[in-house]
Amino acid sequence: GENVEQHPSTLSVQEGDSAVIKCTYSDSASNYFPWYKQELGKRPQLIIDIRSNVGEKKDQRIAVTLNKTAKHFSLHITETQPEDSAVYFCGGGGFKTIFGAGTRLFVKA
Amino acid sequence: GAVVSQHPSRVICKSGTSVKIECRSLDFQATTMFWYRQFPKQSLMLMATSNEGSKATYEQGVEKDKFLINHASLTLSTLTVTSAHPEDSSFYICSVSGRDTEAFFGQGTRLTVV
Repeated sequence: GENVEQHPSTLSVQEGDSAVIKCTYSDSASNYFPWYKQELGKRPQLIIDIRSNVGEKKDQRIAVTLNKTAKHFSLHITETQPEDSAVYFCGGGGFKTIFGAGTRLFVKA
Repeated sequence: GAVVSQHPSRVICKSGTSVKIECRSLDFQATTMFWYRQFPKQSLMLMATSNEGSKATYEQGVEKDKFLINHASLTLSTLTVTSAHPEDSSFYICSVSGRDTEAFFGQGTRLTVV
């Protein structure tokens, strides 16, 4: 089955700086790569996703890049704000979503 | 997107008792739902795939006799934690999704076994 690894586990940045979170996956047949944001005690919410026929996707301050050859994808957040502080999970697996271990992002004002 | 409602949001039970958690897909007919467990500061671990009208598919290491799943209709899946113990205390959350599409989550259930 799919295995998804995520790094780093914790990331602390200054407000206005960029944050990058990386994930690798094992199943070369995977075609869909979502990123979720989870605030404390709440349900995960999709923030951006990418499909295997696309190398990069951007939505305002958030972007995701995908390298299918290397089987890794990354989340990029620019101009970080304190409200970006949360836990971020990457996902893979196709039919059933397998999540990475999560990255706790702290944005310091 | 799909609206998923989970109930209860919090439950405290005594050790040895059973607890039932409901997951409803309010606007989407879900032949499949997924159950996850999340320990504090950890990831969402897939427990099982709930299949409408048939047996659930459990992930490796998950005890099917302890975590009973029933998916009797296209809008409702239930997870029953049987003979609960303190180590079963966790955040349980369900989701609905299609293949290669966004997952929509319930609000989660925080179970505390005392």
